[in-house]
Amino acid sequence: EAGVAQSPRYKIIEKRQSVAFWCNPISGHATLYWYQQILGQGPKLLIQFQNNGVVDDSQLPKDRFSAERLKGVDSTLKIQPAKLEDSAVYLCASSLDTSNYGYTFGSGTRLTVV
Amino acid sequence: AQSVTQPDIHITVSEGASLELRCNYSYGATPYLFWYVQSPGQGLQLLLKYFSGDTLVQGIKGFEAEFKRSQSSFNLRKPSVHWSDAAEYFCAVGAHGGSQGNLIFGKGTKLSVKP
Repeated sequence: EAGVAQSPRYKIIEKRQSVAFWCNPISGHATLYWYQQILGQGPKLLIQFQNNGVVDDSQLPKDRFSAERLKGVDSTLKIQPAKLEDSAVYLCASSLDTSNYGYTFGSGTRLTVV
Repeated sequence: AQSVTQPDIHITVSEGASLELRCNYSYGATPYLFWYVQSPGQGLQLLLKYFSGDTLVQGIKGFEAEFKRSQSSFNLRKPSVHWSDAAEYFCAVGAHGGSQGNLIFGKGTKLSVKP
């Protein structure tokens, strides 16, 4: 079974620029998550999708972050404009459903904002 | 609000020695509890999870954890550490209700193994 694919692996941008991350979950997984992991901290949920609908985006900074999951498969997370404090690893995860927390995490995208 | 505390930021143990990583949680009901491991540049891998039943949970790679409700703890243990266990370990609690499926993570404990 293929894992959760994320791209790019690394990205360096200047503040106020925009950036987009892509995630392709495991085939058949209805639930998709984006987590932000700042250096020295644990991952923090940004947004949860169930198929192509948003279940929880309460911690997503909506003035600059947006995410979509068209057709209920792959997903993109965008930051516009980026701030220095957005430097982090962005992890995507997917699961069949929410009942047993059977997550599979991708390797993440490391974003550095300079 | 739900929260997870991992009191130790960094632990160093000798190869072959035993290991215990501490985790305390705050949650109003019976929690769903997890331990994940993250190697440099990698995503998180599930070591074990507790939902209900036997409070001693066995996981992969020889790890186990014990749920102690009275202490609000879910400590991770391994009887004999291998050099390949060097990584960062995260304890997490699963949110219930409307946010079911979401994980709340602690800040992690970095494990170093000396030969």
